[in-house]
Amino acid sequence: GAVVSQHPSWVICKSGTSVKIECRSLDFQATTMFWYRQFPKQSLMLMATSNEGSKATYEQGVEKDKFLINHASLTLSTLTVTSAHPEDSSFYICSAKGDGHYGYTFGSGTRLTVV
Amino acid sequence: GQNIDQPTEMTATEGAIVQINCTYQTSGFNGLFWYQQHAGEAPTFLSYNVLDGLEEKGRFSSFLSRSKGYSYLLLKELQMKDSASYLCAVRTDKLIFGTGTRLQVFP
Repeated sequence: GAVVSQHPSWVICKSGTSVKIECRSLDFQATTMFWYRQFPKQSLMLMATSNEGSKATYEQGVEKDKFLINHASLTLSTLTVTSAHPEDSSFYICSAKGDGHYGYTFGSGTRLTVV
Repeated sequence: GQNIDQPTEMTATEGAIVQINCTYQTSGFNGLFWYQQHAGEAPTFLSYNVLDGLEEKGRFSSFLSRSKGYSYLLLKELQMKDSASYLCAVRTDKLIFGTGTRLQVFP
């Protein structure tokens, strides 16, 4: 079945630094990638939608200059949290949709802790 | 705006049946998913409804009424391992999640 590999699974960084999270579709071409954030005991909140080769579309209230998304190929999308602050600590998860799939394949998530 | 609402928490007893409701108001509709999620893990696909009616898959069933903007997930013969969060998600041109329901199953 379709697999999305997400790395790292967890990361601790210092306040003010940047962190890059990668999602790779291993056995299919991900034309669209969705990035979500999940705070404890809350649901998944959509941050942005990226299509291969074009700029990401951000949801209202999500700072595009802080959360940089790159979807340069059909198998790789990255989310970079720039100048991270403790309030950015969260569970980040990607979901890929490929042509022909009615379903969405999720990465395993990244637990980001900013200290 | 997009609203997808679920009860925040539910409790049930092992062996019982529980129904988790989801109501939605979205701009567009191309189907509704139900996912199970354990803390710190990715959501796991349970079911997908695009037409009205009931979809049954083992101990899990999901129902959809598009005219009412309503779905439910029915879990039968509850087991302790079913304690988790259950998320409904509506497919528009994106996949938007509901508020999520934390289910706790007691012996």
